[in-house]
Amino acid sequence: GAVVSQHPSRVICKSGTSVKIECRSLDFQATTMFWYRQFPKKSLMLMATSNEGSKATYEQGVEKDKFLINHASLTLSTLTVTSAHPEDSSFYICSATRTSTDTQYFGPGTRLTVL
Amino acid sequence: GDSVTQMEGPVTLSEEAFLTINCTYTATGYPSLFWYVQYPGEGLQLLLKATKADDKGSNKGFEATYRKETTSFHLEKGSVQVSDSAVYFCALSGRGDDKIIFGKGTRLHILP
Repeated sequence: GAVVSQHPSRVICKSGTSVKIECRSLDFQATTMFWYRQFPKKSLMLMATSNEGSKATYEQGVEKDKFLINHASLTLSTLTVTSAHPEDSSFYICSATRTSTDTQYFGPGTRLTVL
Repeated sequence: GDSVTQMEGPVTLSEEAFLTINCTYTATGYPSLFWYVQYPGEGLQLLLKATKADDKGSNKGFEATYRKETTSFHLEKGSVQVSDSAVYFCALSGRGDDKIIFGKGTRLHILP
């Protein structure tokens, strides 16, 4: 149990377009989902925390208008990178928890390349 | 703020060698400590965790002991296998906090 999926696994887009990444908890209800960005040779950086039915909480330095997060149901959260630029190219990873004190279960990640 | 520092990689070992990946942390209070593993092409998986001082987390032959006096949580395995090749992340989570702070990761290559 506790499987988290992400879609797509890879996406290539042109500069200026928007890209939506989905994160789904397949076999449990996730009250909280997290979005991370992983830079090459660097750690995972938490971008935002989203609770079902409420607005996401963004970490300092993360532009909420650029990285739109929607946690519309207990099994789905989406991250939309708006007006993407080459510097947004990265590996985006989501995680989900049943409760705030539960283990985080991570998705396989989405590699975004902006040309 | 809280932070995690782990040894830089890549670490290359021969099969059956002894593995140590060092991890130290800075945190207020008493955080929970974790090791995550990321196999090629896959997402992060929780490998083991410890929630209080002197606890030992273990899984798949890997062990790590929560050492408060040295603020360390070093990962060890007595005999590594080729299938252990992956990136290993040390991480912490503060008490009452659901955020996880990760180290930079250590890539491990095991040669047959």
